[in-house]
Amino acid sequence: QQQVKQSPQSLIVQKGGIPIINCAYENTAFDYFPWYQQFPGKGPALLIAIRPDVSEKKEGRFTISFNKSAKQFSLHIMDSQPGDSATYFCAAKRGAQKLVFGQGTRLTINP
Amino acid sequence: EAGVVQSPRYKIIEKKQPVAFWCNPISGHNTLYWYRQNLGQGPELLIRYENEEAVDDSQLPKDRFSAERLKGVDSTLKIQPAELGDSAVYLCASSPLAGGETQYFGPGTRLLVL
Repeated sequence: QQQVKQSPQSLIVQKGGIPIINCAYENTAFDYFPWYQQFPGKGPALLIAIRPDVSEKKEGRFTISFNKSAKQFSLHIMDSQPGDSATYFCAAKRGAQKLVFGQGTRLTINP
Repeated sequence: EAGVVQSPRYKIIEKKQPVAFWCNPISGHNTLYWYRQNLGQGPELLIRYENEEAVDDSQLPKDRFSAERLKGVDSTLKIQPAELGDSAVYLCASSPLAGGETQYFGPGTRLLVL
C-alpha cells in the first residue's frame, strides 16, 4: 500500500515534443503528490506538486494531471528542451509521514 | 541562500570498514532527513529528525547504521561495519516545517564499498 509505481523507466523524445510520465498509487490516504527532477551528480529538486482536490496544476512548461478515481497522476512537459534531460521521480505522502518515491524515469530530449 | 551541504561527495572503502557522512541543512530548517538512493531507484528514507529528536528511524538498519543530530543543526550518519550492499548515494534533505512537504536535497555522498 505504500508503493508508488512509475512508468516508463526511460523515455526519449525529440525537442519540442511532450513527454508524459505516469505514476500509480494504492494508498488512498496519500494527500500530497510531488514530482522531483534529478540531474546526474545532484540531489532531487522539487519541480511541481499537487493535492488530490484538484485535477490539474500547471507551472510554466510542467503540468500535473491527477485522476483520483484511477489513483494515477502524470507529469507532462510542454515544448521539451534538451536541458530537460534528467531523471524524474514521482512521490506521494500522507500528512507528516514520509515521502514514498517512484522508481524514476530517465528522460532524454534529443535536439 | 546556501543549500544543503554534504561531505564528502565521494567515498571508497573496503567492506567491514567504518564510514561517516556529514550534512549541514539549510539555515533555519528544523527537519532533517537522511535517504539512501540505490542505482536506478528513488530515494528511500532512513531517518527523519525534528530538531534533535529522531521521529522516524523505522527504516534505519540499526545493527550497523547510526545517526546523530547534536544541537539540532548538522547531522552525521555512520555505517559500521560497511557491507558491499551499502554502496549507494546517501542524500540529506531539510525542510523548514515539521513533516514538511517541500524538501530540499543536498548533492549526496556516493559510497562505493569494495
